[in-house]
Amino acid sequence: DTAVSQTPKYLVTQMGNDKSIKCEQNLGHDTMYWYKQDSKKFLKIMFSYNNKELIINETVPNRFSPKSPDKAHLNLHINSLELGDSAVYFCASSQVPGLNTDTQYFGPGTRLTVL
Amino acid sequence: AQSVTQLGSHVSVSEGALVLLRCNYSSSVPPYLFWYVQYPNQGLQLLLKYTSAATLVKGINGFEAEFKKSETSFHLTKPSAHMSDAAEYFCAVSSNTGFQKLVFGTGTRLLVSP
Repeated sequence: DTAVSQTPKYLVTQMGNDKSIKCEQNLGHDTMYWYKQDSKKFLKIMFSYNNKELIINETVPNRFSPKSPDKAHLNLHINSLELGDSAVYFCASSQVPGLNTDTQYFGPGTRLTVL
Repeated sequence: AQSVTQLGSHVSVSEGALVLLRCNYSSSVPPYLFWYVQYPNQGLQLLLKYTSAATLVKGINGFEAEFKKSETSFHLTKPSAHMSDAAEYFCAVSSNTGFQKLVFGTGTRLLVSP
């Protein structure tokens, strides 16, 4: 009965490959997010979707493409992986769109290592 | 633009001692502020949040934080540290308009020794 789940938990791949990370939430929330946490633990938002529509798109290389097939799922596809993409990627969700005091619920993270 | 600064990348305390983790914010409008905790190899979990209702906010696991506008601070405290409090703590500020966008501080690792 995990609230926000991500697969895979670990991902090791070579430079230049394309990979995807999947996220699912069973909380019934409307809004989902992707964050990147670098090796110094700095956490930064990448994207946010509200009911399958992109609402936040930070300055992320266009090699990163989020896709939301339905409001319970938000996947992250990364093309042409680079060494600098190595990080922990967190998915999160929140209930009420536009409620700036809302709580975000985070998944366990996916540790991506690019060799 | 809104931002938060966390002073001290590491804080060490003894079990039973007071925990104080510092967070200062920068915002041109009244901010919404959050403390999240990240236990090893886990995602972030909300400890507490300031939503302008009350300046002293109580959270889970005995933590509390006080919003001080005059000092632009939102420091996290706990009267008595427990070994299980060892984790990474993140202060964050939320956008006031539009869809929520959290801006996180650089985090403070709390180390608790017996």
